[in-house]
Amino acid sequence: DAEITQSPRHKITETGRQVTLACHQTWNHNNMFWYRQDLGHGLRLIHYSYGVQDTNKGEVSDGYSVSRSNTEDLPLTLESAASSQTSVYFCASSESRTALGSGANVLTFGAGSRLTVL
Amino acid sequence: GESVGLHLPTLSVQEGDNSIINCAYSNSASDYFIWYKQESGKGPQFIIDIRSNMDKRQGQRVTVLLNKTVKHLSLQIAATQPGDSAVYFCAENRGLTGGGNKLTFGTGTQLKVEL
Repeated sequence: DAEITQSPRHKITETGRQVTLACHQTWNHNNMFWYRQDLGHGLRLIHYSYGVQDTNKGEVSDGYSVSRSNTEDLPLTLESAASSQTSVYFCASSESRTALGSGANVLTFGAGSRLTVL
Repeated sequence: GESVGLHLPTLSVQEGDNSIINCAYSNSASDYFIWYKQESGKGPQFIIDIRSNMDKRQGQRVTVLLNKTVKHLSLQIAATQPGDSAVYFCAENRGLTGGGNKLTFGTGTQLKVEL
């Protein structure tokens, strides 16, 4: 069965360290997204990609970067971790960029990665 | 600005009763709306969506109602079961100039089902 997996599920790091969260999907979806989830804020978009070599900034992209070298993976890198980046991170994927109302833009989420920055 | 919000942060219902979770949105350009369910320790899971040219859509035990006049969205769950306990998010989607879509999530409502 197709799936979307995130690793690690839990990570504790120190301020200033570089951290990479992995996301791998076998849906063959073109679109991939990274969100962070914090109490009181819901899900906020960090970065997204519509295909290989395509990356775009979301609403809270400062301090994060992504790369898309293949269809399956969109790793999220925190260049220099800060305590404000303590959060739960969700990766998601979807099939189509422009199809509307058909369900094609429905996101399939991973199980999340809980990151604590001390 | 744009916002998607929920009227009630926590909703408690008795098992077997119907649940209604509400959502207000402010962006009239949104072309469809989605409800997600998130169980503890898991990622959000798609429940149902509705296009902006519809006012009602039904799924299995769930119904979504859209009132564009007052920019209000609701999720109705019939015969609520313990397995329905979760956080429910509404999200609005709108197309962007030049292509692509933007999905904005609400902050979520915790549904608690009491036995």
